[in-house]
Amino acid sequence: SQQGEEDPQALSIQEGENATMNCSYKTSINNLQWYRQNSGRGLVHLILIRSNEREKHSGRLRVTLDTSKKSSSLLITASRAADTASYFCATKNNAGNMLTFGGGTRLMVKP
Amino acid sequence: EAQVTQNPRYLITVTGKKLTVTCSQNMNHEYMSWYRQDPGLGLRQIYYSMNVEVTDKGDVPEGYKVSRKEKRNFPLILESPSPNQTSLYFCASRRWGQGEETQYFGPGTRLLVL
Repeated sequence: SQQGEEDPQALSIQEGENATMNCSYKTSINNLQWYRQNSGRGLVHLILIRSNEREKHSGRLRVTLDTSKKSSSLLITASRAADTASYFCATKNNAGNMLTFGGGTRLMVKP
Repeated sequence: EAQVTQNPRYLITVTGKKLTVTCSQNMNHEYMSWYRQDPGLGLRQIYYSMNVEVTDKGDVPEGYKVSRKEKRNFPLILESPSPNQTSLYFCASRRWGQGEETQYFGPGTRLLVL
């Protein structure tokens, strides 16, 4: 079953603007991860936030987690054309044996 | 170079003809997994393995088999492929244990079943 649902499904912005993507999930989690996928290629791990954390930063990425609302957001600041990709949230269950992905947000950054 | 490799990268086959997609990792990872990706559905987990000879079903295991005889390899077997198994398949691996979270993905195998 699909655990995470990303919103929006597609986002188009100009270079230099910030991009925000949201993820909602259904069951309790151990952690939530964000991945990036360039067209038709393998996913690349971006950042992880644990269930007891509220916010995390990595370079131009900022992730928040609200376990009471079962939601997370990924903010990419000062976007670049090279950020154009699909972004997926994935939740790890408490047993640690499964990672469940959402449907993804397709981000297009126009130069 | 640390990597997950899959073969073949592209495959066209016909209904009922058994096929195997290989996956190999060179990072000595305990955990390996197969996903399929379909438009609008994200990635769905087919099978996973926590170590040699330990495999378990994911969310969509029907029509697939796996084996884990060696730590580095985790082949995906379609005994009798059907058109609804046309998809993009990804193998992934990571270390097993607390704090070992980063999952490394292969480049994908695009399968078309006619």
